[in-house]
Amino acid sequence: DIQMTQSPSSLSASVGDRVTITCRASQNINRNLCWYQQKPGKAPKFLIYAASTLQSGVPSRFSGSGSGTDFTLTISSLQPEDFATYYCQQSFSNPLTFGQGTKLEIK
Amino acid sequence: QVQLHQWGAGLLKPSETLSLTCAADGGSFRGYYWSWIRQPPGKGLEWIGEVNHNGGTNYNPSLNSRVTISIDMSKNQFSLNLSSVTAADTALYFCARRSGNHFGWFDPWGQGSLVTVSS
Repeated sequence: DIQMTQSPSSLSASVGDRVTITCRASQNINRNLCWYQQKPGKAPKFLIYAASTLQSGVPSRFSGSGSGTDFTLTISSLQPEDFATYYCQQSFSNPLTFGQGTKLEIK
Repeated sequence: QVQLHQWGAGLLKPSETLSLTCAADGGSFRGYYWSWIRQPPGKGLEWIGEVNHNGGTNYNPSLNSRVTISIDMSKNQFSLNLSSVTAADTALYFCARRSGNHFGWFDPWGQGSLVTVSS
């Protein structure tokens, strides 16, 4: 199985801050990497696919980058609605696997 | 815009079988994988498995021996059965559509079904 490791596990930030979350794969997954946002008790919301392509309707303050084993999700200017948990997911091979999540909290 | 709606029993005893169904409103079943994902309380996401419109399946090896995912094209529904449940299977279960291309994102998702296993 491909292990996905996110860092940090939690992050405190303020509205307007720029934040970056890292996701590392245990082996090369090319650009087969997606990002999701989840709020408590809700289903995850799909944000980014192919490491850097924004899903339609996702604000442009979100961006993704990376390939191979190292990926990042950046939020350029945090808004109140961005405080949530973020997950990466690899679609390179079965079983599909997710990172353990990064909880973004208000400072 | 496809929407997924899921349902099933929420409280099970150990050794019983978990059964959930997910219905897709709108859109075609062809060209996608129809998946189940779960999330234990306070923990991360675990992919359980998926089915395509031909009935072909892929399962997570960690659950393979206990999982069956099936599809009913006539009703635009797909279902999850997980046998011999234990307390470790207590989780919020989601159905989701996965894109058929190699980038394989999950979108949309169902609303989630909390399943509790307790004697």
